[in-house]
Formats: sequence, structure tokens, C-alpha cells
Amino acid sequence: EAQVTQNPRYLITVTGKKLTVTCSQNMNHEYMSWYRQDPGLGLRQIYYSMNVEVTDKGDVPEGYKVSRKEKRNFPLILESPSPNQTSLYFCASSLLRNQPQHFGDGTRLSIL
Amino acid sequence: QKEVEQDPGPLSVPEGAIVSLNCTYSNSAFQYFMWYRQYSRKGPELLMYTYSSGNKEDGRFTAQVDKSSKYISLFIRDSQPSDSATYLCAIRNPGAGSYQLTFGKGTKLSVIP
Repeated sequence: EAQVTQNPRYLITVTGKKLTVTCSQNMNHEYMSWYRQDPGLGLRQIYYSMNVEVTDKGDVPEGYKVSRKEKRNFPLILESPSPNQTSLYFCASSLLRNQPQHFGDGTRLSIL
Repeated sequence: QKEVEQDPGPLSVPEGAIVSLNCTYSNSAFQYFMWYRQYSRKGPELLMYTYSSGNKEDGRFTAQVDKSSKYISLFIRDSQPSDSATYLCAIRNPGAGSYQLTFGKGTKLSVIP
């Protein structure tokens, strides 16, 4: 089954404790992206990657890092999480950058 | 003016009604227009995708784009309780080389049996 898989689905942690949210797709897609979704603000792009070793900032990159060492994986890294990063996070992928994206089921992060 | 405006609702309709969901956008360079449906606790899933002005139909769903007015719509005919979800419009701006998607904030729809 074609899918975008995120882990963990839920995480409660404390300020300053580094965490990584993994994202993996099994569709051989080139383009991958991370979004956060907040009430009243909608979906906002954090980072995207057009291929292996090619990443760039989206609209709200501050406080986040990403890497793309393999085509299928695109982890989101919070080096020093803060409470304002409490949100619902989505990973998405598409075959090419100009095609519609397929989304994972989300990771709900709570930073205390 | 925000790039993409979408009425957040909530919108509540009886089963069988025709639903109209709308977005306006400000940048005439926007080219690709999408509608996503998001159920509670799930990621957005693509419903419709269109490039040009006019109508595109898929079953009970019709996407309409009016580039001259910078207005896009999603119509749902014979709405069902299973259509209850949040609907997001998304528009892609090919400029600046980023191929970013700009999303509306979503309209929450409830279809009452």
C-alpha cells in the first residue's frame, strides 16, 4: 500500500529535550515536505526537499532542522524544543515537485 | 491581504444537500488548484486537482476555477454524513522556484443525517 508513515503519532516531552520525528514514504517520491497545522493558522510549510541532499526552508523554519540522506526518509529534528512548537505536524510527499502531495496521518507534539 | 482566504465555517447541512465551499486568492500567478479533505485525526487527502479555469467533475464532486476573479469552489452533490470533514483549498505558486503550496485555513463541514 502506498503511504507516508510518520512516527511517533503522539509525543509529550519537555522544553529543550532534542527530538526527531521520522517520515518515510514507499512511493519513490522525489519531493517531500513538512508542515505544521495550528488552529486559526492552517497548514504552514516548515521545510521541503526536492531530492536527496537537497533541502530548503519553507514559511516557518525557525527551530527546526531536516535531512534527506535517503530518498524515502525525511526526518524532522527539533534540537531544543520550546512550547511554541506544540502543534500537529504532517509529512507529505509527491512524485515530482509540481504534483499534488500525499500526506501522512500526523504527529501531535506537546512541548511542556 | 492574505494569499488564500477560506471561510472556516463551521458549515452544517442536511443529508442530500448541495454544498458549496469557496476560496479566494490574491496572486494571479497561482496556477495549480487543489482541494483536500481532512477527517479528524487524519492527514489531508487529495480530492480534486485542476490547472485551468472551468469545471472538473469527479463523481459527486465538482471543482470550479475562475482565474479572472481569483476564486475557486468545490461543490458536493447529494452530500452524505461521510462527507463530514474539514475541506482545505491549496494553491501552488510556481514562482520563486519553491513550488510551495499555500493552503486555506479549511472549512469544517458537518452533514446531518
